[in-house]
Amino acid sequence: AQKITQTQPGMFVQEKEAVTLDCTYDTSDPSYGLFWYKQPSSGEMIFLIYQGSYDQQNATEGRYSLNFQKARKSANLVISASQLGDSAMYFCAMREGGSARQLTFGSGTQLTVLP
Amino acid sequence: EAQVTQNPRYLITVTGKKLTVTCSQNMNHEYMSWYRQDPGLGLRQIYYSMNVEVTDKGDVPEGYKVSRKEKRNFPLILESPSPNQTSLYFCASRGFPGQTNEKLFFGSGTQLSVL
Repeated sequence: AQKITQTQPGMFVQEKEAVTLDCTYDTSDPSYGLFWYKQPSSGEMIFLIYQGSYDQQNATEGRYSLNFQKARKSANLVISASQLGDSAMYFCAMREGGSARQLTFGSGTQLTVLP
Repeated sequence: EAQVTQNPRYLITVTGKKLTVTCSQNMNHEYMSWYRQDPGLGLRQIYYSMNVEVTDKGDVPEGYKVSRKEKRNFPLILESPSPNQTSLYFCASRGFPGQTNEKLFFGSGTQLSVL
């Protein structure tokens, strides 16, 4: 079974609007971490935001926030006030417990910001 | 500057010709790993290492070898490359779980083409 599911292969958003990228996860481990990474066309992987399973509040980093709904096992990324430079591939990822295997990634969502 | 350095950035080779992709990190991280990225599949882990001389298979280890003789270096070896190993490869590292630096640090990627 897929551990990380991103159901939106592609998304479009108008500049300055907010956009939500969906991510659902599957784990039976009570301790886990959820990550979002951005990959622009240049190819590098850029860390955006992290949410731990025991964190009481949703994580925020500037224009990025993580809408963490533990019961639903979802960890959606919200980008406020989209900019043209936000056009990129976005990956959701999970680390389970103290797993040394590091991260399991979803298949990604290609976001295009329209002027 | 904290970084993960991967080389080469681009590599074109022929079937069966052994190659090595190098990876080095300057953050004294214990954990290092290799991922491959293919369209529609996200990033999949090839091998990982918890420390010097400790390595284990990830999700797609067939056709790859690794070694961890020094803490900073984690080369990826393709003994007999085949066309299905054409992919974008990333090296990544992080410290022990529980530290505030939960995130993976990624190298800039190696685009490999096997003809």
